[in-house]
This record gives sequence, structure tokens and C-alpha cells, in this order.
Amino acid sequence: DIQMTQSPSSVSASVGDRVTITCRASRDISSRLAWYQQKPGKVPRLLIYSASSLQSGVPSRFSGRGSGTDFSLTISSLQPEDIAIYYCQQADSFPLTFGGGTRVKIK
Amino acid sequence: EVQLLQSGGGLVQPGGSLRLSCEASGFTFSDYAMSWVRQAPGKGLEWVSAIGSRGDAIYYADSVRGRSTISRDNTWNILYLQINNLRAEDTAVYYCVKPIFTVPGTRWFDPWGQGTLVTVSS
Repeated sequence: DIQMTQSPSSVSASVGDRVTITCRASRDISSRLAWYQQKPGKVPRLLIYSASSLQSGVPSRFSGRGSGTDFSLTISSLQPEDIAIYYCQQADSFPLTFGGGTRVKIK
Repeated sequence: EVQLLQSGGGLVQPGGSLRLSCEASGFTFSDYAMSWVRQAPGKGLEWVSAIGSRGDAIYYADSVRGRSTISRDNTWNILYLQINNLRAEDTAVYYCVKPIFTVPGTRWFDPWGQGTLVTVSS
């Protein structure tokens, strides 16, 4: 199975700050990576697919990059509504696996 | 509008069985592979099972393989997940999820169903 390791597990930043979350795959998954946002008490929502493609309706302050084993999600200017847990997911092979999540908080 | 309406959760005793349903609307259900993902209370996301658009290719996580059956009814646009011999560690919110493209091998999911809570306890 492909292991997905996210860091940090939690990040606290001020409104307007740039926030970057990283995700590492245990083996090469090319660009087959997605990022999801889960707000408190809500259903997860797809933000980024294919490592860097922005899902329809997602604000442009979210961006993704990377390929192979190392990936990142960046929020260019943190907003109060971005408070959530963010998960990466590899889409390369079954079993599909998720990272452990990164909690983003406002400082 | 794409909708995934789930039903079938609840409280089950250890060793019991449950069948979850997910009624799809707003898209051509038979064109899409579908999956189930679960989330234990306060924990992260765990993919559970996937089924091809015609019900052919089927995959399970090790945690449920041998105890679970994923199926679909393309006439009535319903996805199912049956889990037998339920254990305490199966306690979770179960989500029905749709890939964003019909292309086989698309495994990025949006939207997600509203989730249904399965609690395994005596």
C-alpha cells in the first residue's frame, strides 16, 4: 500500500498569511494526487486534483504543486473560512490512501 | 444538480450486519465508477471500497475485505455497501463518493454524500 504522510499535523497562521502543507507518498505516484478540505462538522470537499488542477468553484488562493513523491498545497492568503482539516489522497492505485490530515487554525 | 442521498446507518451489535444505500441523481450514474469512504469519530479519512461503472471491477480495503460487498443497481441509480460481522472499529461515518470524471481510473471525488453514521456497540 502507498503511505501518505502529511506535515505539519497542525498549523496556526494569521489572516492574510501564506500557508503551505506538504504531503509525501511512499512511492512515485506521478501527479495522481488530490487535496480535500473538511470544515468542522461538514462533508469533505475536493480542492485540487491531478496535483495542481483547481476543482471548479474553488477559490484561486488555493494551489497545488508537485509530482512523484512530494506535493504541497498552498493557501496564498489565509481567510477565516479556510479553517478546516486538509487531506491529501493518492489516486494512483488501490487501496486508495489518505494522509493523516493537517488542521489549519487562525492565530 | 448532482446529489448523493445516503441511508441505512444506525446502531448495530458486534457481529451484526448492515446495508448502506446511496441514491444518485443529477448525473448519468451508469457512466461512473463509485466508491465508499469512511471516517471514524475524530479520525481521518479511510477509503473502503470501489466498484466499476458496470459493476465489474471491484476493490476493497483490507480492513473490510471478506466481510463486505459493494454493489450497484444502474436501473435505479443506487450504490450499496453491505458489511457483515461488524466490529467496533467499523464505527464511522460512511460516505458515498463520485469521481469527477467518467474516465476509468479517475479517483478524485466530488461530491460526497451527506454521510451516514454506523455505530457498532452492544
